[in-house]
Amino acid sequence: DVKVTQSSRYLVKRTGEKVFLECVQDMDHENMFWYRQDPGLGLRLIYFSYDVKMKEKGDIPEGYSVSREKKERFSLILESASTNQTSMYLCASLASGGAWETQYFGPGTRLLVL
Amino acid sequence: AQTVTQSQPEMSVQEAETVTLSCTYDTSESDYYLFWYKQPPSRQMILVIRQEAYKQQNATENRFSVNFQKAAKSFSLKISDSQLGDAAMYFCAYRGGATNKLIFGTGTLLAVQP
Repeated sequence: DVKVTQSSRYLVKRTGEKVFLECVQDMDHENMFWYRQDPGLGLRLIYFSYDVKMKEKGDIPEGYSVSREKKERFSLILESASTNQTSMYLCASLASGGAWETQYFGPGTRLLVL
Repeated sequence: AQTVTQSQPEMSVQEAETVTLSCTYDTSESDYYLFWYKQPPSRQMILVIRQEAYKQQNATENRFSVNFQKAAKSFSLKISDSQLGDAAMYFCAYRGGATNKLIFGTGTLLAVQP
């Protein structure tokens, strides 16, 4: 079974702090994604990566950056956290086998920025 | 741009009864895939069922089935013999044939009453 893990389930940070969210997958998937989930808005794509060191902006990249130095690890970085970044963050991975493939999700990190 | 709409923020069903969750989408593409994901409370999001647009036959997975109406751009999820474990947030998602990105609806929170 595919396993996607995220470094923290809950995180509390102060405004202005630099925040790192880590995601690791164990199935050698080429593609990895970061979403934020907010009530009434569903999941919105922040960034995705289709290979090591490759990244593309999603729908809401402002205030975020990402890093993918190894295939199994995809990091989301909040350079200077703000209260409007309080949210649930979900990581996902996807094999490159075709459009039929499904994304596999991590358990999520609930981030509170004070 | 493609959009996915879930018009029912919350639904409730009695145990052992049948419930249908609605999803509509908008696209000009001819090649695409549709997914239903389930997110149980405090647990990882998992795939429930998926449908290829070029297939006329509705997908079925045990108690879960879809009603795919391509002309109406509708993709509803039917859960038969509802169980307490079916209580979750359900997301409808769209994926174009030429992309790895998913577009999610806003979700439907399903409660199952004993």
